[in-house]
Amino acid sequence: KAGVTQTPRYLIKTRGQQVTLSCSPISGHRSVSWYQQTPGQGLQFLFEYFSETQRNKGNFPGRFSGRQFSNSRSEMNVSTLELGDSALYLCASSFNSGDGSPLHFGNGTRLTVT
Amino acid sequence: DQQVKQNSPSLSVQEGRISILNCDYTNSMFDYFLWYKKYPAEGPTFLISISSIKDKNEDGRFTVFLNKSAKHLSLHIVPSQPGDSAVYFCAAPMGYGGSQGNLIFGKGTKLSVKP
Repeated sequence: KAGVTQTPRYLIKTRGQQVTLSCSPISGHRSVSWYQQTPGQGLQFLFEYFSETQRNKGNFPGRFSGRQFSNSRSEMNVSTLELGDSALYLCASSFNSGDGSPLHFGNGTRLTVT
Repeated sequence: DQQVKQNSPSLSVQEGRISILNCDYTNSMFDYFLWYKKYPAEGPTFLISISSIKDKNEDGRFTVFLNKSAKHLSLHIVPSQPGDSAVYFCAAPMGYGGSQGNLIFGKGTKLSVKP
């Protein structure tokens, strides 16, 4: 069974630009969550989608948005990039949010904003 | 305010000995805890979990202990192996609407197991 796939692995963008990151969950998984990892703040929850609906949102500005498609694939978008958005963005999936099954993480997208 | 705290950024242990990683939490509403392991350039992988109705859960070399009165949990690895060298994260679900996709993570402890 293929794991969680995130594309691209690396991205370099300039301040003010926008970026879209993609995540394909494990087949059959309906819940997708996104996390940001930085050296200072650690792993922080961005948002969670379940059956195309945003179920929870973390404490991030509105520049961070996401969506989930009918095949459970998910994208997150960051607009008007700032230097502080440089981070590792991790996507995670689980079969059914709330059933106690652990999250399965992808290897992340490393975003560098210059 | 950090709701899940791992106060030791790093830990070094000799191969074959016990590794003990600690985690404290402040939110008494947490009823489920997970440990994840992360190697460089990879995403975190699930290791072991524990429900608040238990005080111990064991899986092979890994055992997690939960002390609810102290709001403290610990992960024991016995015996430690060089391949266990990684960053270990303690996490708890916020649980809104039963969701467990929203995890609060500690900042991690980097374990180094020396041969």
